[in-house]
Amino acid sequence: EAGVTQFPSHSVIEKGQTVTLRCDPISGHDNLYWYRRVMGKEIKFLLHFVKESKQDESGMPNNRFLAERTGGTYSTLKVQPAELEDSGVYFCASSQVYVSQETQYFGPGTRLLVL
Amino acid sequence: KQEVTQIPAALSVPEGENLVLNCSFTDSAIYNLQWFRQDPGKGLTSLLLIQSSQREQTSGRLNASLDKSSGRSTLYIAASQPGDSATYLCAVRPDWNQGGKLIFGQGTELSVKP
Repeated sequence: EAGVTQFPSHSVIEKGQTVTLRCDPISGHDNLYWYRRVMGKEIKFLLHFVKESKQDESGMPNNRFLAERTGGTYSTLKVQPAELEDSGVYFCASSQVYVSQETQYFGPGTRLLVL
Repeated sequence: KQEVTQIPAALSVPEGENLVLNCSFTDSAIYNLQWFRQDPGKGLTSLLLIQSSQREQTSGRLNASLDKSSGRSTLYIAASQPGDSATYLCAVRPDWNQGGKLIFGQGTELSVKP
């Protein structure tokens, strides 16, 4: 069974540009989460989808970030325009819904560097 | 606001030693607690998950304990090996009605020397 995949693995862009990150969850997983880790800080929650619906987007830092999950399969996270402080590692995780011991499976992350 | 702290930030031990990693959280109202492992450049791998009603979980050489009332968890690694070298992360899931998001500590970077 394929794990959570993320694309690209690395991205280097200039301040003001736009970047779109993609996450493909494990097949059959309706929960999809986005997290990020900025340099020297802990991993922080960004948002949570259940199928195509946003369940919780309390962690989204500002309106430069837009997440979508059309059709309830893969998800994209767009940053527009990117700022220097957006640099970090963006992780995606997925899990099954209605499982008592829900384990989130993480992807390898996308390393974003904004210059 | 829930905060998770891990001590120490880094740890270096010789191969074969038993070791303990610590995790503390400020709000005891949690649904569960997980320990993850992260290798450089890789994603997170779940090691152990302890429900709030449980006291400990074991998997091979790993044992995780949970004392919800005091806001503490420990990860015990027996007979450490160089392959255990990685960053270990503790994460709590708040109460069920707050959704499935995880709140992470900063991690403990473990190095096991041959």
